[in-house]
Amino acid sequence: DTEVTQTPKHLVMGMTNKKSLKCEQHMGHRAMYWYKQKAKKPPELMFVYSYEKLSINESVPSRFSPECPNSSLLNLHLHALQPEDSALYLCASSPKFSGRGGDEQFFGPGTRLTVL
Amino acid sequence: KQEVTQIPAALSVPEGENLVLNCSFTDSAIYNLQWFRQDPGKGLTSLLLIQSSQREQTSGRLNASLDKSSGRSTLYIAASQPGDSATYLCAVGILTGGGNKLTFGTGTQLKVEL
Repeated sequence: DTEVTQTPKHLVMGMTNKKSLKCEQHMGHRAMYWYKQKAKKPPELMFVYSYEKLSINESVPSRFSPECPNSSLLNLHLHALQPEDSALYLCASSPKFSGRGGDEQFFGPGTRLTVL
Repeated sequence: KQEVTQIPAALSVPEGENLVLNCSFTDSAIYNLQWFRQDPGKGLTSLLLIQSSQREQTSGRLNASLDKSSGRSTLYIAASQPGDSATYLCAVGILTGGGNKLTFGTGTQLKVEL
């Protein structure tokens, strides 16, 4: 299994809703990432988990709450979002850090989020 | 702060042409560099990874080079096909205490016409 899966594919939510995005990989990777991509823009890093511990938070608002229950699963919990949070949310994974630059990141298909 | 620029922003070529996409970055202390393609509304597909100690990587019709000292990478696509039409993104990795942070360029939108 050489892929990263994300569910749901599409999500529409109101500003008062609570929802979660899910990401899974079964490649034995020990680093997992959340990125946000607005239309016509490049992806921007949000969070990095290394060995199931949060290692990087790119000053993301607290209405986004990541969780890594185990080495294969990454969640992004959403609460009280704003319309400007509408975007494509991408998950990625990579092998444990080799220190030699060989940590290729593999991306899932993304969840298209619309906040009304 | 790492800044990544890609030129050209858009490119339209007839099928069969060889083409070069350019990526430049401001901080040469990189960990690695990755080239991706993205089809409209889809996720990213990794094409090539170049480690900081490497000068180039090849995969099929694709060849990527890296010149850290000048802050440049190029992606060469040989004998382009309509199926190559997509947005191509380069991403520069910087190793931090928390892991490998990728900074993406703004992309080159490629259209290969019959």
